[in-house]
Amino acid sequence: GAGVSQSPSNKVTEKGKDVELRCDPISGHTALYWYRQRLGQGLEFLIYFQGNSAPDKSGLPSDRFSAERTGESVSTLTIQRTQQEDSAVYLCASSRPGQQPNQPQHFGDGTRLSIL
Amino acid sequence: GEDVEQSLFLSVREGDSSVINCTYTDSSSTYLYWYKQEPGAGLQLLTYIFSNMDMKQDQRLTVLLNKKDKHLSLRIADTQTGDSAIYFCAGVFSGGYNKLIFGAGTRLAVHP
Repeated sequence: GAGVSQSPSNKVTEKGKDVELRCDPISGHTALYWYRQRLGQGLEFLIYFQGNSAPDKSGLPSDRFSAERTGESVSTLTIQRTQQEDSAVYLCASSRPGQQPNQPQHFGDGTRLSIL
Repeated sequence: GEDVEQSLFLSVREGDSSVINCTYTDSSSTYLYWYKQEPGAGLQLLTYIFSNMDMKQDQRLTVLLNKKDKHLSLRIADTQTGDSAIYFCAGVFSGGYNKLIFGAGTRLAVHP
């Protein structure tokens, strides 16, 4: 498809395990964003990539969270030693470079992460 | 820091107009957006307004911006059951390039 693709769509894991979430942006979109959406809340910004560099990691909540991006394509968000408060929907968005709104962010359907 | 606030719930009758309100604290906003989220889905960009505008109309949607009061609203005319969703207000503020700051979302319920 032509949209942002995220996998898995759902992930259930035990507290203390590591998880990897994947995002495939739209082809040609050099900017990529990760957000977290806790139940009943808005989206919290986590990290922004331009190409494979991350000029803004200010939203990562702790050093258990990290993210990588390969070139201008796939990104993975890794959460180590998961805690119950990490349970949320993790949303990825991508856009062409440039200032919005000419280059709006297109969102994937998210990964719903549940920590038992 | 920037803060965006919305009322959490709105219920309207089918065919009526819906008005969803949003306030923000940072006066240096550049762009303000409305996104729609249906159950189990990602966010769909509905419309946006640049901070030097005070109104924008797009078919059934009207966005009003009051910069003095830092208040943004989304009016949906002739609300339909398919409009039932969560609506998020979001903004790009000073130094934020494309970093979006979101409100908590307003759940719109449309009943017959």
